[in-house]
Amino acid sequence: QQPVQSPQAVILREGEDAVINCSSSKALYSVHWYRQKHGEAPVFLMILLKGGEQKGHEKISASFNEKKQQSSLYLTASQLSYSGTYFCGTERGFGNEKLTFGTGTRLTIIP
Amino acid sequence: EAQVTQNPRYLITVTGKKLTVTCSQNMNHEYMSWYRQDPGLGLRQIYYSMNVEVTDKGDVPEGYKVSRKEKRNFPLILESPSPNQTSLYFCASSFNAAPNTEAFFGQGTRLTVV
Repeated sequence: QQPVQSPQAVILREGEDAVINCSSSKALYSVHWYRQKHGEAPVFLMILLKGGEQKGHEKISASFNEKKQQSSLYLTASQLSYSGTYFCGTERGFGNEKLTFGTGTRLTIIP
Repeated sequence: EAQVTQNPRYLITVTGKKLTVTCSQNMNHEYMSWYRQDPGLGLRQIYYSMNVEVTDKGDVPEGYKVSRKEKRNFPLILESPSPNQTSLYFCASSFNAAPNTEAFFGQGTRLTVV
């Protein structure tokens, strides 16, 4: 079952912050975040493993609450280059090595 | 250069004509997988492979076959394509024998079945 992402789409002005949420109905081992620009392949942002670890990548960071089976991606002081569709992917761990992506969140940054 | 290479990039075919989309990676990765991307549905995993001769179904395997005879190659086979398999396909690979490291995606294959 696909994780649920919210919002489905968001429009921001440069410099504003955004939060994208990802939730699953199943226990998770890891959560992945990717960004895809129009006409291109998805590109890796980060992986969060079971343990509630928060990770950062420049002005993009994420958290993983394994008890709630939720992850959030935080984009701070957004830049035009952040535009694209963001996907979370979830993995349930040993014995179930499928990677299931959500339907995506389209982020548009305007000047 | 480290990369995942898919061929062809674009393909138009007719219903029922068998086709193969090739995928090759030069990073000695263990885990390889195929996804299809459709508007509003995101990326859906078709098949994955944790190593040579080890493959398993993803979320939407019906109508597809795969094989992993060599570590670097993971072809996707459509024995009898149908119009509902018209989609954008991505191959991806990652280092571990599980999807818990960065996945590198190929550039995609846009398939149209008429």
